[in-house]
Amino acid sequence: SAVISQKPSRDICQRGTSLTIQCQVDSQVTMMFWYRQQPGQSLTLIATANQGSEATYESGFVIDKFPISRPNLTFSTLTVSNMSPEDSSIYLCSVAVVSSGANVLTFGAGSRLTVL
Amino acid sequence: DAKTTQPTSMDCAEGRAANLPCNHSTISGNEYVYWYRQIHSQGPQYIIHGLKNNETNEMASLIITEDRKSSTLILPHATLRDTAVYYCIVRFWGIQGAQKLVFGQGTRLTINP
Repeated sequence: SAVISQKPSRDICQRGTSLTIQCQVDSQVTMMFWYRQQPGQSLTLIATANQGSEATYESGFVIDKFPISRPNLTFSTLTVSNMSPEDSSIYLCSVAVVSSGANVLTFGAGSRLTVL
Repeated sequence: DAKTTQPTSMDCAEGRAANLPCNHSTISGNEYVYWYRQIHSQGPQYIIHGLKNNETNEMASLIITEDRKSSTLILPHATLRDTAVYYCIVRFWGIQGAQKLVFGQGTRLTINP
């Protein structure tokens, strides 16, 4: 299975600033996703990161707030823009790999973001 | 997407088998059943998946009923390290864009010494 490295693992940020989270995969993968996990909650899909084209955002998430880059098949970034305390969450990168005829997801360890 | 229903929480004694149920009565014929777990402060971990037949790997067994409307994840000899939130997800595998997984609230499994 793919190995995912996320940076930073955690950060404390000031309101109104932006933070970019990096996701590096040790192999080429077609499908890459960004999830958010708010405190005490389950995971919510933010968007699908598409290589060479604009990301596909889920309902409730917009490009201006969460711009995503996917320059190649091993790397993606998620930026959390103009942050507020409500953006305090764990942000997780995941990739889909084929196993036994189905796609399964491998997740990074996550980036824990605290906004003051 | 087919919806899943899981108990909010469960307890199990260490060394015993943990049986986690999941109802998915609206599952369609080409949707897989996936199980993931999330140990505190870590990213979710894939456990197992199946379509129709029962499946077993080094982590767990997945029992899917004949009508596919429910399934059970079995951890045969639970340890304290199996304490986690377990997510049951049903999802269609096929065209690109239909493969994203949507997580529900899961079952919080606590293994007691």
